[in-house]
Amino acid sequence: ETGVTQTPRHLVMGMTNKKSLKCEQHLGHNAMYWYKQSAKKPLELMFVYSLEERVENNSVPSRFSPECPNSSHLFLHLHTLQPEDSALYLCASSQEMAGGVYEQYFGPGTRLTVT
Amino acid sequence: AQSVAQPEDQVNVAEGNPLTVKCTYSVSGNPYLFWYVQYPNRGLQFLLKYITGDNLVKGSYGFEAEFNKSQTSFHLKKPSALVSDSALYFCAVRDLNYGQNFVFGPGTRLSVLP
Repeated sequence: ETGVTQTPRHLVMGMTNKKSLKCEQHLGHNAMYWYKQSAKKPLELMFVYSLEERVENNSVPSRFSPECPNSSHLFLHLHTLQPEDSALYLCASSQEMAGGVYEQYFGPGTRLTVT
Repeated sequence: AQSVAQPEDQVNVAEGNPLTVKCTYSVSGNPYLFWYVQYPNRGLQFLLKYITGDNLVKGSYGFEAEFNKSQTSFHLKKPSALVSDSALYFCAVRDLNYGQNFVFGPGTRLSVLP
């Protein structure tokens, strides 16, 4: 489980705050992902970065802003969130190669509560 | 569009009995199928995957899954359940026609009773 780390593990923020979630992968992968996991709902893919370029953005509100400075690090910048944004935010990584399909490795998640 | 269904929210099984967690999928191209497990306060852990080849796939912790193309299913199985297998199980599919988008099912909570 130390292959993908996330900080902080828990975060409580007000609706007017600005905070950032951090993800780091130590697996040498070239793709990273942000997911939102809410109670009673399927895992929702938010963003995908491949070779440090954003390749997927699944209609996520602009109050969530991703950043991928290099292949090992991924951030999710948060501002003016809503209470319904409270969820577990999971980071994942995988190795993408032409002609191959590889599994994702997940971090432990950040439990976000918006008050 | 790709989708995954896990028809059971909850599966209960006695320790030592065989377990099955069901998954059906819908894709437009070739399906690439995965099973993950999530323990409380943890991220998802990869169990096994089907890409091509043998329809019976073996994975971690004694789990296996059977790919059935005609029934568009990929059920997770284990011959003898352990109490420590109690967790949330997710089936996922990836269709390369949709880029790097993995689609996950809603999850099935497995409870293994001692």
